[in-house]
Amino acid sequence: GAVVSQHPSRVICKSGTSVKIECRSLDFQATTMFWYRQFPKKSLMLMATSNEGSKATYEQGVEKDKFLINHASLTLSTLTVTSAHPEDSSFYICSGQVRQGAGYEQYFGPGTRLTVT
Amino acid sequence: AQKVTQAQTEISVVEKEDVTLDCVYETRDTTYYLFWYKQPPSGELVFLIRRNSFDEQNEISGRYSWNFQKSTSSFNFTITASQVVDSAVYFCALSEAWVSASKIIFGSGTRLSIRP
Repeated sequence: GAVVSQHPSRVICKSGTSVKIECRSLDFQATTMFWYRQFPKKSLMLMATSNEGSKATYEQGVEKDKFLINHASLTLSTLTVTSAHPEDSSFYICSGQVRQGAGYEQYFGPGTRLTVT
Repeated sequence: AQKVTQAQTEISVVEKEDVTLDCVYETRDTTYYLFWYKQPPSGELVFLIRRNSFDEQNEISGRYSWNFQKSTSSFNFTITASQVVDSAVYFCALSEAWVSASKIIFGSGTRLSIRP
């Protein structure tokens, strides 16, 4: 299957700083990438959908000015958590979508664990 | 609206027992995909299966089997002869089929613990 990587895998930052998470599709071109957030012992919640070269579409309740998403190329999307607060601590997972046959497949990255102190 | 319900929050069984994880879904789409993912303590999602709404055949893969019943909107997952390595959180999920930028809706997950 196709491979999606995320960097960093873990990050600790101080409250008030910004942190960037990268999501890369290593062996395929992802026209669409998705960003999910997972609180401890909870499910994955979609934050936003990003298409290469255009603005991301955010889910209801997700602050677009706080969670900046850039999808500059078909293999890279970035999520920047701006002015991070402890409540932003979470597990962030991205996925890349690629067309396969008549449909689409979505491949998930390994996740990034963010801790804000 | 699409919704996935996993009523079992946690299940604990002794090794070698069979265990079934329930999944009930809601959708107005006529074509859709159903998924099961495994999330071990490392956090990485492991894809287990995708089933499209046209295919109601049950599937078996080793110790894993899936029962898709459109009439009851259920897609249950059974592990036969469970092993300690099966301990993880399992997510059932749903998405529209054959649609670009189709989001995957996850259930709340079932935490499975296999005791030696």
